[in-house]
Amino acid sequence: DGGITQSPKYLFRKEGQNVTLSCEQNLNHDAMYWYRQDPGQGLRLIYYSQIVNDFQKGDIAEGYSVSREKKESFPLTVTSAQKNPTAFYLCASSIRTTGSYNEQFFGPGTRLTVL
Amino acid sequence: GNSVTQMEGPVTLSEEAFLTINCTYTATGYPSLFWYVQYPGEGLQLLLKATKADDKGSNKGFEATYRKETTSFHLEKGSVQVSDSAVYFCALSDGAGSYQLTFGKGTKLSVIP
Repeated sequence: DGGITQSPKYLFRKEGQNVTLSCEQNLNHDAMYWYRQDPGQGLRLIYYSQIVNDFQKGDIAEGYSVSREKKESFPLTVTSAQKNPTAFYLCASSIRTTGSYNEQFFGPGTRLTVL
Repeated sequence: GNSVTQMEGPVTLSEEAFLTINCTYTATGYPSLFWYVQYPGEGLQLLLKATKADDKGSNKGFEATYRKETTSFHLEKGSVQVSDSAVYFCALSDGAGSYQLTFGKGTKLSVIP
């Protein structure tokens, strides 16, 4: 079955530590995205990548970093510079199109808690 | 910039009641519009979509019509079930070459037996 996997589902880290969240897709999508979701809020875009070896900052990129070395993988690192990292993190992917239609497919998410 | 405004929740309905969740948007170009649903502890799933004005998206008894004149995309269902309890997000993708989705804040729906 094609889809997006995120691991782990729950992640705990101590303050001051960096942590990397995994996102893998086998949909052959070019574009991938990372969102952050906080209680009672919508999704906010952290980073996105339209093609391998290229990525752009979203609305809240400070304190995060990404890499896109392979088409199917887009890991997110939450660094110690992120002031409030406890949140639910969602990865998504989509076909790269030139039109306006941009259906994104989401993974199950990783809940990060900083202790 | 682009923005999506949804009615604030939470919304609590009895089973078989009629559901409306309002969504209005501001966008450049000719956006595509989406409703996503998120069940507790899970990621988002696409519920329905509309890519041009007057299109009606529908799925699992839910419907929404793309109204350009009122910049709206309200979600409706004639008879809700307990299994519809979830958070619903309205979103848009603009036609300006961007691959980004702009989301509303979400509306939590609880359906009670």
